[in-house]
Amino acid sequence: DVKVTQSSRYLVKRTGEKVFLECVQDMDHENMFWYRQDPGLGLRLIYFSYDVKMKEKGDIPEGYSVSREKKERFSLILESASTNQTSMYLCASIKRWGDGNTIYFGEGSWLTVV
Amino acid sequence: RKEVEQDPGPFNVPEGATVAFNCTYSNSASQSFFWYRQDCRKEPKLLMSVYSSGNEDGRFTAQLNRASQYISLLIRDSKLSDSATYLCVVNRKGSSNTGKLIFGQGTTLQVKP
Repeated sequence: DVKVTQSSRYLVKRTGEKVFLECVQDMDHENMFWYRQDPGLGLRLIYFSYDVKMKEKGDIPEGYSVSREKKERFSLILESASTNQTSMYLCASIKRWGDGNTIYFGEGSWLTVV
Repeated sequence: RKEVEQDPGPFNVPEGATVAFNCTYSNSASQSFFWYRQDCRKEPKLLMSVYSSGNEDGRFTAQLNRASQYISLLIRDSKLSDSATYLCVVNRKGSSNTGKLIFGQGTTLQVKP
C-alpha cells in the first residue's frame, strides 16, 4: 500500500515563527501536493511539484514556500507564521496523470498559530 | 463561479434511504473524475473513480455526463457508517506531465437511525 506520511500531526506555533511541514511518500510518485482545508472553503492547493526541484504555485501560494530536494519528500514552509494560516494541511501524491491513477493523502497536519 | 461545485448540504436521511449527490464542473478540459470520502478530522480517501460509462461498487453508483459537465453519486440503502463528507474531485491535465486536481467543497451526509 502507498503510504503518505506527514510527520507532524498537531502543532501550535507563535506568530512570526518559521514552520516546516514534512511529507514523505514511499511509492516513487512523481507528483506531490500541499493543500489546506478550511471549513466552508474546501481543499485549496498551495503548491505542487511534478519532479525533484520542480515546483509550481497553486491557488493560494502567498505566505508559503516549498522544497523538493528528493523525490520522496515535499516540504511546506511558512516563513513567518500568521494566525490566518491556522488550518489543516494535507499532503498528497499521485504517480502520474491519467486515468486509473489514484491520489493518496497523508493524515493531515493541524496547525494552530497563536 | 467555482470550477467544481457541490451542494454542501447537510443531507439528513434515515437509514435505508437512497440519496444522490451532484457535482458540476466548468472546465471542459477536465479529464478524470473521482469521489472521495472524508470522515471528520481525517484525510480524504478514494471512494470511486467515475467513468463515462458509469460504474457501480456495491451500494454506490457513480455517473459522468460530459455533455452537461456533471458527476453524480448515488448511495442506496444508506447505513449509519455512510455519514461523512463526500468530495467531488476533478483532474484537469495541464502541459506535458502536469495536471491539476480541483476539489469541490464537499457534501455532508448524516444518516440517522
